[in-house]
Amino acid sequence: AQSVSQHNHHVILSEAASLELGCNYSYGGTVNLFWYVQYPGQHLQLLLKYFSGDPLVKGIKGFEAEFIKSKFSFNLRKPSVQWSDTAEYFCAVNSGDTGNQFYFGTGTSLTVIP
Amino acid sequence: DGGITQSPKYLFRKEGQNVTLSCEQNLNHDAMYWYRQDPGQGLRLIYYSQIVNDFQKGDIAEGYSVSREKKESFPLTVTSAQKNPTAFYLCASSRGSGGSTDTQYFGPGTRLTVL
Repeated sequence: AQSVSQHNHHVILSEAASLELGCNYSYGGTVNLFWYVQYPGQHLQLLLKYFSGDPLVKGIKGFEAEFIKSKFSFNLRKPSVQWSDTAEYFCAVNSGDTGNQFYFGTGTSLTVIP
Repeated sequence: DGGITQSPKYLFRKEGQNVTLSCEQNLNHDAMYWYRQDPGQGLRLIYYSQIVNDFQKGDIAEGYSVSREKKESFPLTVTSAQKNPTAFYLCASSRGSGGSTDTQYFGPGTRLTVL
C-alpha cells in the first residue's frame, strides 16, 4: 500500500509570512497528487491537484504546489498567508495501480496569527 | 445544487447499538467512499464502492458494514462490534475513472458520539 507523510503536524505563522507544507509519498509509479483544505467547521475542499504536465500547479486562494518526482514530494506553498488560511491541510495520492483508492496524510494544522 | 449530503450532522448513540450514517450524492459519480477522521490520524478508509452492488474493504473495515443498492447512495452502518466508534465520518465520491484523472469530493461529515 502507498503511504503519505506530512511532517509538519502543527504550524503557526504570522500574517504575511510565507508558507511551505511538506508532503512525501511512497509509490514509485505514476501518481496523481492532491491537496485538500478543511476550514474550521467546514467540509474538505480541493485546493489543487496534479495529474501530469507542468509540475508547478496553481490552485485556489493563491496556493501552489510543486511535484518533484525525484524526491517523491508535492509540497504546498503560499507566499503570504492570511488569517483566513487557518485550517487543516491534507495531502493525498492515488494512482492507476490502486484504482479508485486514495491515500491521505495525517494532516497539518495551520494557525495564522493576525 | 449538486453535491454530497450526509445526515445527520451530529449523532448520539448508546454503546451496543448499531447506527447507520447516510450519504447521498447527485453528482452522477460511480465511486463512493467512507473515511473516518480522528485527531492526528488524518483520514482512514473504511469502505469504498466503485459501482452499484459492489464494494471493497478499506484499511479499517472491522466493525463497519455498507451497502450500495443505488448509484447515489452509500450508507454506512457502525455496528456494536466497532470498539471505538466515536469519530468524525466523511463520505466522498468520485467519477471512478480508474484513477487516471479521478478527483474525490467530500460531504460535510457526521460526528458520531457513542455514550
